[in-house]
Amino acid sequence: GAGVSQTPSNKVTEKGKYVELRCDPISGHTALYWYRQSLGQGPEFLIYFQGTGAADDSGLPNDRFFAVRPEGSVSTLKIQRTERGDSAVYLCASSLVSTGTQYFGPGTRLLVL
Amino acid sequence: KQEVTQIPAALSVPEGENLVLNCSFTDSAIYNLQWFRQDPGKGLTSLLLIQSSQREQTSGRLNASLDKSSGRSTLYIAASQPGDSATYLCAAPIMDSNYQLIWGAGTKLIIKP
Repeated sequence: GAGVSQTPSNKVTEKGKYVELRCDPISGHTALYWYRQSLGQGPEFLIYFQGTGAADDSGLPNDRFFAVRPEGSVSTLKIQRTERGDSAVYLCASSLVSTGTQYFGPGTRLLVL
Repeated sequence: KQEVTQIPAALSVPEGENLVLNCSFTDSAIYNLQWFRQDPGKGLTSLLLIQSSQREQTSGRLNASLDKSSGRSTLYIAASQPGDSATYLCAAPIMDSNYQLIWGAGTKLIIKP
């Protein structure tokens, strides 16, 4: 594809439910990142993949959050037992190499009721 | 710990004016610094990336400078247009990282026709 795509664009769920957010990076980009952005704030780093492996997951807030990238392309961010505080825009980005420009998707707006 | 600050938080200027957005960071040992643009409800668009060995980068009406010794970067926008209205964010890597970005909260720019 021409850019990073994310689905769904919006997700409304109830407290305690499980959600999956998908990211499709730019073809050929080995590095993939997940961020979370709350209103009026800059993005907050969650996790970085280099290929299929999570090279740095230090930004994941707790063990309810998990992400995978099994074939080194598409990534899924999984949130278990969602809480109202998880409500935010979840952004995915990819780059050709870790030192390069990060290209962002449009984000998934998650609302936990 | 890297901290990134952007001043002002909001700026409104008449069309045609030249303007400067400021970004400061606490850890000067950065690998690079990036400027992004974010339109309401949309993802982030990379504008300029300045490597640590560079002093400035230019793209069209945009010019970004980097002064590592003072911990500052500026984004200069020449001949502003209403289409430049957006939130502008800067981001720098944390210590010992070339990928995990720490973000400012952004400057919301409004260009009045």
